[in-house]
Amino acid sequence: QLQLQESGPGLVKPSETLSLTCTVSAGSFSSGTYYWGWIRQPPGKGLEWIGSIYYSGSTYYNPSLKSRVTISVDTSKNHFSLNLRSVTAADTALYYCARTASSPGWVDYWGQGTLVTVSS
Amino acid sequence: DTVMTQSPDSLAVSLGERATINCMSSRSVLYSSNNKSYLAWYQQKPGQPPKLLIYWASTRESGVPDRFSGSGSGTDFTLTISSLQAEDVAVYYCQQYYSNPLTFGGGTKVEIK
Repeated sequence: QLQLQESGPGLVKPSETLSLTCTVSAGSFSSGTYYWGWIRQPPGKGLEWIGSIYYSGSTYYNPSLKSRVTISVDTSKNHFSLNLRSVTAADTALYYCARTASSPGWVDYWGQGTLVTVSS
Repeated sequence: DTVMTQSPDSLAVSLGERATINCMSSRSVLYSSNNKSYLAWYQQKPGQPPKLLIYWASTRESGVPDRFSGSGSGTDFTLTISSLQAEDVAVYYCQQYYSNPLTFGGGTKVEIK
């Protein structure tokens, strides 16, 4: 059973960079048919797609965040990462890593999510 | 961006009764070359990530009970729970994957009356 696990700091100061990693286990990370992405959910609110990456490194970002986001992949470690720069309180959210069948696509696997709070 | 609008925001249904959730997209998510609507539905219970229920607007994910069904095409879609069970209490989201950025509806909270 494929598993995704987010890791990273739970507290980030305003104007700094939020960095998270998603480790993929029990599955073929480098399979040619899947994309790996990040989705966030502010407390008590809905879902916002941040972006996705293919194992080869091709990326797709939400235009609303594109200027601040970088998603990268390390196939040797079976993980991919999110960097979100210049964060504000509006970036406080539960961050999920996820797998989609294509890009764009439906999400068939989700991590459990990690709460990141932006506060001084 | 394709805006997804769900209605109602919440609904309360008696156990064993039907629950109907609507989702409208601001542009068609029907791809004419394969006649498929690029629309998925998810269920999110408190403290859990969303769970995929339906894709291609009406294809049930493996393991999803058959009381869940999806219908619609183009811009108007419906998720139906034919006989509500206690474990179905959750927030339900629709999502289009016709084009990037992926976008989700605002969610519909389903409760027991």
